[in-house]
Amino acid sequence: GEDVEQSLFLSVREGDSSVINCTYTDSSSTYLYWYKQEPGAGLQLLTYIFSNMDMKQDQRLTVLLNKKDKHLSLRIADTQTGDSAIYFCAERNYNQGGKLIFGQGTELSVKP
Amino acid sequence: GAVVSQHPSWVICKSGTSVKIECRSLDFQATTMFWYRQFPKQSLMLMATSNEGSKATYEQGVEKDKFLINHASLTLSTLTVTSAHPEDSSFYICSARTTLLGSYNEQFFGPGTRLTVL
Repeated sequence: GEDVEQSLFLSVREGDSSVINCTYTDSSSTYLYWYKQEPGAGLQLLTYIFSNMDMKQDQRLTVLLNKKDKHLSLRIADTQTGDSAIYFCAERNYNQGGKLIFGQGTELSVKP
Repeated sequence: GAVVSQHPSWVICKSGTSVKIECRSLDFQATTMFWYRQFPKQSLMLMATSNEGSKATYEQGVEKDKFLINHASLTLSTLTVTSAHPEDSSFYICSARTTLLGSYNEQFFGPGTRLTVL
């Protein structure tokens, strides 16, 4: 299957940590990505993780991958109002011709 | 990083007219470009994949005669929505992939084009 699922909304206070979760079904996925989309704009790659890694940290962003459970999460530390956006997780499966399969997107709202 | 541009950023047209959207990779050569459609509050749906110099591969359910894709050069792909109708109103996003295979992020996204059909 090619399902990637995310919760639709997350609301946090400025300064708190945000955790956005994603589940996927295809165990042969190679790379998994997190993209950010601001209103009316295209997608900006935030970070990615290769399927043989468990964790990746990049400044305020931490990606955790549980390959057994097919669960991916994105943690944003010290969340700011500028982090308010829609976050998409995506998997790339080269067995499917390298297509990116996107989740539905999680709308993150950061309140001052 | 690699930059992908789209033109126009938004367009309003009358029902029955055709609209062309351009997608350009500005600082790299893209052998493959992708066209996505996004409805409000929804995810990106891949419409088609185009390789330079060959016919586009359309996803199931996407009418190839309705959405004409041309990828004539390594830096330009166009999507033409023919005989547009209000249900074609959407946000269209292109993406370009570099020739550097195996790269972690060989796919870069354009800023999108908002099409409104009256």
